[in-house]
Amino acid sequence: DGGITQSPKYLFRKEGQNVTLSCEQNLNHDAMYWYRQDPGQGLRLIYYSQIVNDFQKGDIAEGYSVSREKKESFPLTVTSAQKNPTAFYLCASSGFSRQGSEQYFGPGTRLTVT
Amino acid sequence: RKEVEQDPGPFNVPEGATVAFNCTYSNSASQSFFWYRQDCRKEPKLLMSVYSSGNEDGRFTAQLNRASQYISLLIRDSKLSDSATYLCVVNKGFQKLVFGTGTRLLVSP
Repeated sequence: DGGITQSPKYLFRKEGQNVTLSCEQNLNHDAMYWYRQDPGQGLRLIYYSQIVNDFQKGDIAEGYSVSREKKESFPLTVTSAQKNPTAFYLCASSGFSRQGSEQYFGPGTRLTVT
Repeated sequence: RKEVEQDPGPFNVPEGATVAFNCTYSNSASQSFFWYRQDCRKEPKLLMSVYSSGNEDGRFTAQLNRASQYISLLIRDSKLSDSATYLCVVNKGFQKLVFGTGTRLLVSP
C-alpha cells in the first residue's frame, strides 16, 4: 500500500533535548512538507522540500531543521531552540501537477516537551 | 485580514440535513483550492479539489466564487460519519498551501 508513515505516534522529551521526527513516503512524490498544528490554529508550514538535497524554510522554521537525502525521507529535528515545541506535527507529500498540489498527510506525531 | 477565514462553528445538524460552509480567502491570484476533512486527533484527509468553478462528488459539492473570493462546501443528506472538522485550503503558489482553522460539524441522530 502506498502512503506516508510517521513515527513515533507519541513522543515525550525533556526541555533542552533535540528530537527527530521521522517521515517516509512510498508514493514517489517529489515534494514533502512539515507542518505543526496547535489547538485552535490552522496548520503552519515549517519546512518544505521540492527535490532531493534541497529544502526551503516555511513560515515558522526557527528552532527546526530538516534534511532531504533521499526522495522517500524527510526527517524533522526539533531543536532546543524551539520555544514552544509541544504540538501535533504532520508530514505531507505531493506530486507536481500543472493544476495544483494536493498534499497527502501522514498520521502525525504528537510531541510533548516538559 | 487572515489569508483564509472560516467560521469555526460548531454547526449542529440532524441526520439527513443539508449544511453549507463558506470560506473566504485574501489572495486573488490563488488558482487552486481544497477541502480537507480532519477527525479529532487525526491527520487531514483530502475531500475535494477545486480548480475551476466547482466540483461535485456524491453528497459533497464545492463551489468557487473568484469575484467574491470565497469557496463553499455543501453536504447533502448528512450522515453521523460526516461529523468532523472541515479545513478550507488555498494554494498560494509554489506548492505552498494556506490552511484555514476549520469549521466543526456535528451531525446528531
